[in-house]
Amino acid sequence: AQTVTQSQPEMSVQEAETVTLSCTYDTSESDYYLFWYKQPPSRQMILVIRQEAYKQQNATENRFSVNFQKAAKSFSLKISDSQLGDAAMYFCAYTTGGSTLGRLYFGRGTQLTVWP
Amino acid sequence: DAMVIQNPRYQVTQFGKPVTLSCSQTLNHNVMYWYQQKSSQAPKLLFHYYDKDFNNEADTPDNFQSRRPNTSFCFLDIRSPGLGDAAMYLCATSGGQGFEAFFGQGTRLTVV
Repeated sequence: AQTVTQSQPEMSVQEAETVTLSCTYDTSESDYYLFWYKQPPSRQMILVIRQEAYKQQNATENRFSVNFQKAAKSFSLKISDSQLGDAAMYFCAYTTGGSTLGRLYFGRGTQLTVWP
Repeated sequence: DAMVIQNPRYQVTQFGKPVTLSCSQTLNHNVMYWYQQKSSQAPKLLFHYYDKDFNNEADTPDNFQSRRPNTSFCFLDIRSPGLGDAAMYLCATSGGQGFEAFFGQGTRLTVV
């Protein structure tokens, strides 16, 4: 079965501090892509960062970076210099090739609160 | 701007009365997804189209159907809505394997 696990239902961080959100996944595919999506209270899901499984280098997008551990099937998101606007539900997701081509699966999400 | 548009934003339907939700895209993406999202839960993939190829998830109830008449439009039909079908329904598109998905703002379905 293809699964995505986010073990932290809720996290909180002080403004300007750093927070790390955890994600593990399970797939038998060798070719896949990993994503972190953000869903603010307005509910429109937007992409935060993307990682190709075949790349060893961790993806970064400004204040957002990932720690991708392929052998451990771990894909955590680090938010540096947290801002109030970062408060949202964060979903880890992945899509694979092979027999499940095109399917995009999500974890249960982590609700991030940012305190001023 | 290119985008994914879902109509309506809010839909109220009666128990057992068929309802259709629509999604359109100007991104010319070949993949379109329908997700069901209940409060504080992960989006659950119902089905997706890869071009014209329809892919149903094994646990999607028969009550849910979809149509994609052309690249731009995709519809979600709920043949006999039950109270348990009340949820946010999200449409998304993607340029294909490995590409990010773009989401619409969702349709919140209420069943009375």
